[in-house]
Amino acid sequence: EAQVTQNPRYLITVTGKKLTVTCSQNMNHEYMSWYRQDPGLGLRQIYYSMNVEVTDKGDVPEGYKVSRKEKRNFPLILESPSPNQTSLYFCASSLRFGFSYEQYFGPGTRLTVT
Amino acid sequence: GQQVMQIPQYQHVQEGEDFTTYCNSSTTLSNIQWYKQRPGGHPVFLIQLVKSGEVKKQKRLTFQFGEAKKNSSLHITATQTTDVGTYFCAGLDTGRRALTFGSGTRLQVQP
Repeated sequence: EAQVTQNPRYLITVTGKKLTVTCSQNMNHEYMSWYRQDPGLGLRQIYYSMNVEVTDKGDVPEGYKVSRKEKRNFPLILESPSPNQTSLYFCASSLRFGFSYEQYFGPGTRLTVT
Repeated sequence: GQQVMQIPQYQHVQEGEDFTTYCNSSTTLSNIQWYKQRPGGHPVFLIQLVKSGEVKKQKRLTFQFGEAKKNSSLHITATQTTDVGTYFCAGLDTGRRALTFGSGTRLQVQP
């Protein structure tokens, strides 16, 4: 089944404890992206990747890191999480970036930082 | 940078009533996509509009792209409880290589 998977789905952690949220897609998509969703703010892009080893900042990259060593995986790293990073996170992928390419979203990761 | 505003933020309707959400961009869009997110779920792609003035229909849903390609709307005729969720528009920002999402409209349907 074509899908985007994320792990973990739920995570409660403490300030400053490094964490990684994994994202994997099995559709051979080139473009991958991370979003955070907060009430009233919609979906804001954190980082994106056009292809392997090519990543760039989105609208809200502060406090996050990413890597794209393989086409299928795009982990999101929080080196020193803070309470303002409490949010719902979505990974998404599309065949390519651009015209007519819909994005497929993962199930989401709800992160709470205390 | 590009900003996409969406109104209303929330709407509560009785089952059978119509519903419309509007999307406005600060810049001309090359295309616009619409997504639906059910409560507790993830956004799912509904449709894409590309041409100026384009109108597309999916059963009870009608999507429209403005003539100037700066606004769009989604209209649902005779809402059903299965329509409950948040509807997002998203504009393609080729400069930033990103989809810019609107803040979404949360639809609640009273049976």
